[in-house]
Amino acid sequence: DTEVTQTPKHLVMGMTNKKSLKCEQHMGHRAMYWYKQKAKKPPELMFVYSYEKLSINESVPSRFSPECPNSSLLNLHLHALQPEDSALYLCASSQDPSGYNEQFFGPGTRLTVL
Amino acid sequence: AQSVTQLDSHVSVSEGTPVLLRCNYSSSYSPSLFWYVQHPNKGLQLLLKYTSAATLVKGINGFEAEFKKSETSFHLTKPSAHMSDAAEYFCVVSDRIKAAGNKLTFGGGTRVLVKP
Repeated sequence: DTEVTQTPKHLVMGMTNKKSLKCEQHMGHRAMYWYKQKAKKPPELMFVYSYEKLSINESVPSRFSPECPNSSLLNLHLHALQPEDSALYLCASSQDPSGYNEQFFGPGTRLTVL
Repeated sequence: AQSVTQLDSHVSVSEGTPVLLRCNYSSSYSPSLFWYVQHPNKGLQLLLKYTSAATLVKGINGFEAEFKKSETSFHLTKPSAHMSDAAEYFCVVSDRIKAAGNKLTFGGGTRVLVKP
């Protein structure tokens, strides 16, 4: 299995809702990532988990809360989002946290905040 | 600090003609370099990677790239464009140091249009 899966594919939520994005990989990768991508822009790194521990938080607002329950799963909990948070949210994984290995990306979750 | 510049934001080619996407980078360390492709409303797919083996790297779907350290360039080419090559392409650099996480630096992207 050489893919990263993400659910749901699309999500529409109001500013008072609580929702979660899910990411899964079964490649034995020990680093996992969340990115945010706005239209016509490159992805922006949000969080990095290295060996199931949060190692990088790119000053992301607290309304985004990541969680890594085990080495295969990565969640992103969403609460009290703003319309400007609407974007494509991409999950990725790599064999380890070093820069030698490529990151494998999932198909993304298209989030719309009303 | 590292940075990536993709010299063309848009490239338009005719089907069957060569494609050239230009990328220059700067890095404090010996970098790994990647090209990713993104089709509309999809995730990113790795086309190829350079990690200090051969300087001419072959990737999927007929793409290849040449690492030129003296010019700090990593241009992507394909001899003959296909309609399915219409997409956004990202040049990406990663400093090869063991850190708390692998932070990629993305270029601004090049949108490729293929005309029939």
